Amino acid sequence: KNEVEQSPQNLTAQEGEFITINCSYSVGISALHWLQQHPGGGIVSLFMLSSGKKKHGRLIATINIQEKHSSLHITASHPRDSAVYICAVTRYGGSQGNLIFGKGTKLSVKP
Amino acid sequence: EAGVAQSPRYKIIEKRQSVAFWCNPISGHATLYWYQQILGQGPKLLIQFQNNGVVDDSQLPKDRFSAERLKGVDSTLKIQPAKLEDSAVYLCASSLAISYEQYFGPGTRLTVT
Repeated sequence: KNEVEQSPQNLTAQEGEFITINCSYSVGISALHWLQQHPGGGIVSLFMLSSGKKKHGRLIATINIQEKHSSLHITASHPRDSAVYICAVTRYGGSQGNLIFGKGTKLSVKP
Repeated sequence: EAGVAQSPRYKIIEKRQSVAFWCNPISGHATLYWYQQILGQGPKLLIQFQNNGVVDDSQLPKDRFSAERLKGVDSTLKIQPAKLEDSAVYLCASSLAISYEQYFGPGTRLTVT
């Protein structure tokens, strides 16, 4: 079983819809990251959080440490939001700080 | 601020050939990471440097992969000889220090035929 699981794997939405992507993890963490990867492009960090909630524009990320679960929400989705969204964690106590990645959620927003 | 630079962006080679990738991190970033991302999967760490020293290379296939960061700035990742299963995107990332936010380069897409 992977240490970081995401759902759904694929998601198709209509423009304007509210979108939720979920991430569960099985290890103790010091931080959780939400990343965005466009086709053929590199990875962009959206959020790094260790508790509570963060908001940036139409994107909201929440984390529940007790339940080892995080969600990424996109409000008023737009075709330009189409990308792969990746959840990653930094293991607690790890001296290296490297990330453990989920497999990603491929989002397609139709006009 | 310039981002993480990688070259080449794309590379096609035949199996058993050699290939090298280059990464120039963000200026001042002490920590540099090389990741391998196979199609449909999340990235997997290959090697992590702190300045010019290796912090973690536990998942690097050392019989064929090597990496160096001699002056603690840019880095090269080499595969020799390549296998079909090495086809992937190779991502370089850097951070100010360990456990700080990582910034990713555009990646190098390698196809081994």
